[in-house]
Amino acid sequence: EAGVTQFPSHSVIEKGQTVTLRCDPISGHDNLYWYRRVMGKEIKFLLHFVKESKQDESGMPNNRFLAERTGGTYSTLKVQPAELEDSGVYFCASSQDRVGNYGYTFGSGTRLTVV
Amino acid sequence: EDQVTQSPEALRLQEGESSSLNCSYTVSGLRGLFWYRQDPGKGPEFLFTLYSAGEEKEKERLKATLTKKESFLHITAPKPEDSATYLCAVQASASYDKVIFGPGTSLSVIP
Repeated sequence: EAGVTQFPSHSVIEKGQTVTLRCDPISGHDNLYWYRRVMGKEIKFLLHFVKESKQDESGMPNNRFLAERTGGTYSTLKVQPAELEDSGVYFCASSQDRVGNYGYTFGSGTRLTVV
Repeated sequence: EDQVTQSPEALRLQEGESSSLNCSYTVSGLRGLFWYRQDPGKGPEFLFTLYSAGEEKEKERLKATLTKKESFLHITAPKPEDSATYLCAVQASASYDKVIFGPGTSLSVIP
């Protein structure tokens, strides 16, 4: 079974530019989550999709962040315009059930650096 | 406010030297507590879910236990390949799907 795939693995952009992160969940996993870790902090929740619908986006920091999940398959997270404080590692995770016995399966993350 | 703390921040063990990692939590109604392992440059890897006080789960050299206020991850006779950051996370009943992660404990096992 293929795991959760994220790309790019690294991205360096200038402040004010736009970046789009992509996540391909495990096939058949309806639940898709975005989390991020900024420097020195804990991993924090951004949002949760069930299929193509946003179930919970309470962790999205501001309206510069836009997440979509096309047809309930892959998801994108766009940051526009990027600010310095957006630097960090963005993780995507998927699960078949809603975080029960099997937890999440995480991707390896996208390391975003805004300069 | 829901919160998770972990101690120690870092732990260095000799191979074979057993020890425990602590996760303390404050949450308005615990739905589940999770332990993950994270290697450098990788995403967290799921280890265990615990649901109620008194519950225990084991996997190889790892054993996780849960009380009403904290969880312990016991590592018995660790090997160098157990070196990683161990993350604790909780899910509150009101939050449903989102989990709150602790800062992690960085474990180094020296041969």
